[in-house]
Amino acid sequence: LAKTTQPISMDSYEGQEVNITCSHNNIATNDYITWYQQFPSQGPRFIIQGYKTKVTNEVASLFIPADRKSSTLSLPRVSLSDTAVYYCLVGRLSPNYGGSQGNLIFGKGTKLSVKP
Amino acid sequence: ETGVTQSPTHLIKTRGQQVTLRCSSQSGHNTVSWYQQALGQGPQFIFQYYREEENGRGNFPPRFSGLQFPNYSSELNVNALELDDSALYLCASGLGLGLAGGLTDTQYFGPGTRLTVL
Repeated sequence: LAKTTQPISMDSYEGQEVNITCSHNNIATNDYITWYQQFPSQGPRFIIQGYKTKVTNEVASLFIPADRKSSTLSLPRVSLSDTAVYYCLVGRLSPNYGGSQGNLIFGKGTKLSVKP
Repeated sequence: ETGVTQSPTHLIKTRGQQVTLRCSSQSGHNTVSWYQQALGQGPQFIFQYYREEENGRGNFPPRFSGLQFPNYSSELNVNALELDDSALYLCASGLGLGLAGGLTDTQYFGPGTRLTVL
């Protein structure tokens, strides 16, 4: 599966839009992208998932360009409570559900610090 | 709230002991996976269970073992504990979501069990 590369850390201020970009140059045709958020001493929380173009939910937007070699998680108007580590993962789609067999690999993520 | 629960919340053991961690995954989810997360690192995949059988294993020794039960509960057992086993242990239940003509394995994590080995 494609290896992902993210910035180690980012700083922002309350009310700003934050964009975190993840590189996955070797993404395959049947791979998808998932983002998680993790607060200290808690389990990762699923944020958003997509295959191409743009996906939006109540929490974030995910932009995936046509070549799919990168993706950008966009957090609108961040608050102090958005301070967390954000992980980008690449997973493999399957025609019949059989689990991922461990192919969802977490890197070190991006530590986002939101300041007042 | 993901509906995934883990017990206990915290646990302290001594080197050489054995430990059992428990997870109750969400009803209707198809897989359960276990991860180890050391301080400052991302979660590391231990193994996954699908239909009560091991369905993939990460780079962990055999003293890490698991079980999945028909009632969506699961156990992680670690024998002969070592100091380096101190970590946050995460359980995640997986659900296949339709995307781009295929199915994902979307993982929903529990709050974790903090294991300290002295």
